[in-house]
Amino acid sequence: NAGVTQTPKFQVLKTGQSMTLQCAQDMNHNSMYWYRQDPGMGLRLIYYSASEGTTDKGEVPNGYNVSRLNKREFSLRLESAAPSQTSVYFCASSELQPNTEAFFGQGTRLTVV
Amino acid sequence: AQSVAQPEDQVNVAEGNPLTVKCTYSVSGNPYLFWYVQYPNRGLQFLLKYITGDNLVKGSYGFEAEFNKSQTSFHLKKPSALVSDSALYFCAVREGGSYIPTFGRGTSLIVHP
Repeated sequence: NAGVTQTPKFQVLKTGQSMTLQCAQDMNHNSMYWYRQDPGMGLRLIYYSASEGTTDKGEVPNGYNVSRLNKREFSLRLESAAPSQTSVYFCASSELQPNTEAFFGQGTRLTVV
Repeated sequence: AQSVAQPEDQVNVAEGNPLTVKCTYSVSGNPYLFWYVQYPNRGLQFLLKYITGDNLVKGSYGFEAEFNKSQTSFHLKKPSALVSDSALYFCAVREGGSYIPTFGRGTSLIVHP
């Protein structure tokens, strides 16, 4: 009963390095999301994918790219990491219908030095 | 556009006392409202939701929430708080036709022994 699985759980990057955060869900959900969580800021949407083959920008997309590889997987890429991207990143999934709840991964704690 | 506000950054309550965590929302159409809980170093977990019908919604771990359309509020409540309820609580809203849940900034609930 995995739900939403994110890897890695922790990562330290140097400024300018790149990395990809992986996310997979096994609930056959259409919609997937990437959020970042910062103290006092709550959850801010980076990108979302309403269905396989589509992606859209959220509130804070600058510095990130995403790929909806298939229905299960939705990855987030940092091309050139900056200290401002130090955060906890959460992947989530849900059904398309607005009356359905989201399911979250355990999070990735990223530090950019 | 949909939005949600949690006016309190922190709520303190003594164990055994009732607790309330406040949430107000703004939507153009019908609201679908959710509460999530986040324990330290974990992802968000779904607690309960309001779709339609009874204004008092019951959820996990003895929590309930009261929907008030005239006050555009969806406050989370519990009759008797436990120390183990200490966590970060998020209110979220989706409106009809929206792919994206919008989250509040979170309220830290601290239950004192």
